Amino acid sequence: EVKLVQSGPELKKSGDSLKISCQASGYRFGNYWIVWVRQRPGKGMEMMGVIYPGDSTTRYSPSLQGQATFPVDKTSETAFLQWRSLQASDTGLYYCARHGFGELTYWGQGTLVTVSS
Amino acid sequence: QSALSQPASVSGSPGQTVSISCIGVSSDVDDNEHVSWYQQSADSVPTLIIYDVDHRPSGVSHRFSGSKSGDTASLTISGLQPEDEADYYCCSYTTTSLYVFGSGTKVTV
Repeated sequence: EVKLVQSGPELKKSGDSLKISCQASGYRFGNYWIVWVRQRPGKGMEMMGVIYPGDSTTRYSPSLQGQATFPVDKTSETAFLQWRSLQASDTGLYYCARHGFGELTYWGQGTLVTVSS
Repeated sequence: QSALSQPASVSGSPGQTVSISCIGVSSDVDDNEHVSWYQQSADSVPTLIIYDVDHRPSGVSHRFSGSKSGDTASLTISGLQPEDEADYYCCSYTTTSLYVFGSGTKVTV
């Protein structure tokens, strides 16, 4: 059974760094792209970017503007979403999902990130 | 690519049929575009209900159907039921733009 299990909610201050995780199981981690999706409070969904764990090839959404990165640990089959300096506008619910053939069949349960100014 | 355009809300009575439009998908077949739809109930994880324009994943009700004409994709929910009340998002995938989501539609039953 394919599963994506994300880390718990985070409460941070502006300027803090943060790394949230998405642990995969039930499939070959290195063979499927992981997609990171942001959902700001009361808003729709937005793709942040994608990473191919097999070789760490990454593509970022133009709107991300280098504000976050997507490291992976193939040994623990875990993908991460990392910020060096959080802003209040980073507050939101973050999902990891597995890319299939143009659709997102499997999703993590989401990680709520709250950034206070 | 900007977010795809969806109506903010759609409502219907139980048993009725409602449709949600998604404007801005590519009409160029060479784009090899994949259109999918996701249902997000209150405080829940999005769930895939339609992929490749009109395909239903196993376990998804036959009351959900998808179609596409030109630059507009549509999701139709027939025999509307109370449990269909949720937010619905279309999504376009191309190798160029990757995943672009629609603005979302709230369905009220």
